[in-house]
Amino acid sequence: QLQLQESGPGLVKPSETLSLTCTVSGGSISSSSYHWGWIRQPPGKGLEWIGNIYYSGSTDYNTSLKSRVTISVDTSKNQFSLKLSSVTAADTAVYYCARHYSGGLSAYDYWGHGTLVTVSS
Amino acid sequence: DIQMTQSPSTLSASVGDRVTITCRASQSISSWLAWYQQKPGKAPKLLIYRTSTLEIGVPSRFSGSASGTEFTLTISSLQPDDFATYYCQQYNSYLYTFGQGTKLEIK
Repeated sequence: QLQLQESGPGLVKPSETLSLTCTVSGGSISSSSYHWGWIRQPPGKGLEWIGNIYYSGSTDYNTSLKSRVTISVDTSKNQFSLKLSSVTAADTAVYYCARHYSGGLSAYDYWGHGTLVTVSS
Repeated sequence: DIQMTQSPSTLSASVGDRVTITCRASQSISSWLAWYQQKPGKAPKLLIYRTSTLEIGVPSRFSGSASGTEFTLTISSLQPDDFATYYCQQYNSYLYTFGQGTKLEIK
């Protein structure tokens, strides 16, 4: 059974960089059948797509976050990571990692439980 | 970027009711639309992908359809477990977007 687990600091200071890692177990992150994404949800609000990384290592980012976001993959550890720079209180959210079938064969079918990141001094 | 306009934002209904939630895309997304269900404190759960294909294990009372750029999620007979928040998501372009969400409440 595939599992995804987010990890990283729960508290980040304003202007610093938020860093999270998603560890994938029960399947390979290197498969060309899938790509991997980050989605966030501010408290009491809706879902916001952050970006995807593909098995090739290429990435796509939300236009509104593109200047501050980097998603990378470490296939040796079966992990992918999110970095969001220059954070403000508006970046406080539950951050989810998820798997998306490539080629439209499905959508985000497996999700992590999510991790709350609070931006505060 | 493609915008997804979801309505209504809140829906009050009773067990046994038939309910419909709509998402309208700002431009053509072909059939690349998914629906998710989210309960408080939990990650979203995929219900439907490619407009109308049910994810494995999802009850058949859920269905999806489309007319042009308007997409619909229908629950044919609401069950107590269905009261949750629902989101649409387009994946036509490489820049994905979610709808704003519909909270389905008990009347």
